[in-house]
Amino acid sequence: GENVEQHPSTLSVQEGDSAVIKCTYSDSASNYFPWYKQELGKRPQLIIDIRSNVGEKKDQRIAVTLNKTAKHFSLHITETQPEDSAVYFCAVTSGTYKYIFGTGTRLKVLA
Amino acid sequence: GAVVSQHPSWVICKSGTSVKIECRSLDFQATTMFWYRQFPKQSLMLMATSNEGSKATYEQGVEKDKFLINHASLTLSTLTVTSAHPEDSSFYICSAADNHEQYFGPGTRLTVT
Repeated sequence: GENVEQHPSTLSVQEGDSAVIKCTYSDSASNYFPWYKQELGKRPQLIIDIRSNVGEKKDQRIAVTLNKTAKHFSLHITETQPEDSAVYFCAVTSGTYKYIFGTGTRLKVLA
Repeated sequence: GAVVSQHPSWVICKSGTSVKIECRSLDFQATTMFWYRQFPKQSLMLMATSNEGSKATYEQGVEKDKFLINHASLTLSTLTVTSAHPEDSSFYICSAADNHEQYFGPGTRLTVT
């Protein structure tokens, strides 16, 4: 079955710096890659996603890049702010609606 | 956007009792819903896929007789934790699928004493 690895598990950055989180997957049939932000005790919130026919997608300070050949995709947050502090999860699906989540990255933005 | 609700938001029950959690899609019909369990500081672990009108598909290691899932309509799926034990204490989150995206409920925090 699909295996998703996410790194790093924790990440501390100074406010204003960039943060990068990477996920690798194993199933070459995977075709949809969402990223979620989860604050303590709350539901995961979709922040950006990318489909397999696209290499990069950007939404203001957030971007996602996908390398299908290498089977990895990354979340990039620029000009980080304290409110970006949360746990971020990547997910992978092959179109069956079933998501496999990464292990999560706890991001702390230091003011 | 699509809205998914869950009820209750938190519940405390005694060991050995059963607890039912409801998951509703409020503004769309969902033939497929998912149930996840999340332990503190861990990722979301898929427990089962709930399909309207048919039996749920459980992930490996999840006891189907302990976690009963019913998806009786296109807007409602229920998860019943039977004979709950303290190790079942966790954050249970449902999601509903709409056009290849999943929309998450707010979660239910279950504490078994």
